[in-house]
Amino acid sequence: DSGVTQTPKHLITATGQRVTLRCSPRSGDLSVYWYQQSLDQGLQFLIQYYNGEERAKGNILERFSAQQFPDLHSELNLSSLELGDSALYFCASSAGERRSGEQYFGPGTRLTVT
Amino acid sequence: AQSVTQLDSQVPVFEEAPVELRCNYSSSVSVYLFWYVQYPNQGLQLLLKYLSGSTLVKGINGFEAEFNKSQTSFHLRKPSVHISDTAEYFCAANSGGSNYKLTFGKGTLLTVNP
Repeated sequence: DSGVTQTPKHLITATGQRVTLRCSPRSGDLSVYWYQQSLDQGLQFLIQYYNGEERAKGNILERFSAQQFPDLHSELNLSSLELGDSALYFCASSAGERRSGEQYFGPGTRLTVT
Repeated sequence: AQSVTQLDSQVPVFEEAPVELRCNYSSSVSVYLFWYVQYPNQGLQLLLKYLSGSTLVKGINGFEAEFNKSQTSFHLRKPSVHISDTAEYFCAANSGGSNYKLTFGKGTLLTVNP
């Protein structure tokens, strides 16, 4: 158990809908990262937050947004969903923003768009 | 841009045999390297990491990896595998600038047969 929790575990929704994925980092970790894992793209970095502020952005679509709250939990919002958004979404956390810091991954949320 | 190449998508081996999972990275600056393991329906777990110092890094579950700067490689090895090592293994890199994202390889599925 990494100490990172993600809810829900599974999510099935229809095209055009909006969903919110939730992540709670390990106790004391200030950085949260979101990754998308799909069969064709592999593991792709989406976005990073550090202590409530956006720190780095990857290949995140404009339909997607995220935020980190004062209690350090984070939410990833996916809107106008398309079939291609079906994937496993991981949240990871690390103690600080040092790039040498190892990232601890949650169990993921499997999103299926029908 | 940083890239990570895992040369084998699948590696089948017999129990108690040695195994090597290959990883090459591209970077013109200092790089931090990681190996993660993903068991079925689970998140990613850190096996080991190279930050600096000794080029031979030991990790959990009997795995080790060797950093080779001249060949830009970071191959993962285990002298004797168990059935329970069956999983997907990901090599990842983190390099340069203010971007703290991990860049992942496509993964190698290690299947240990009895």
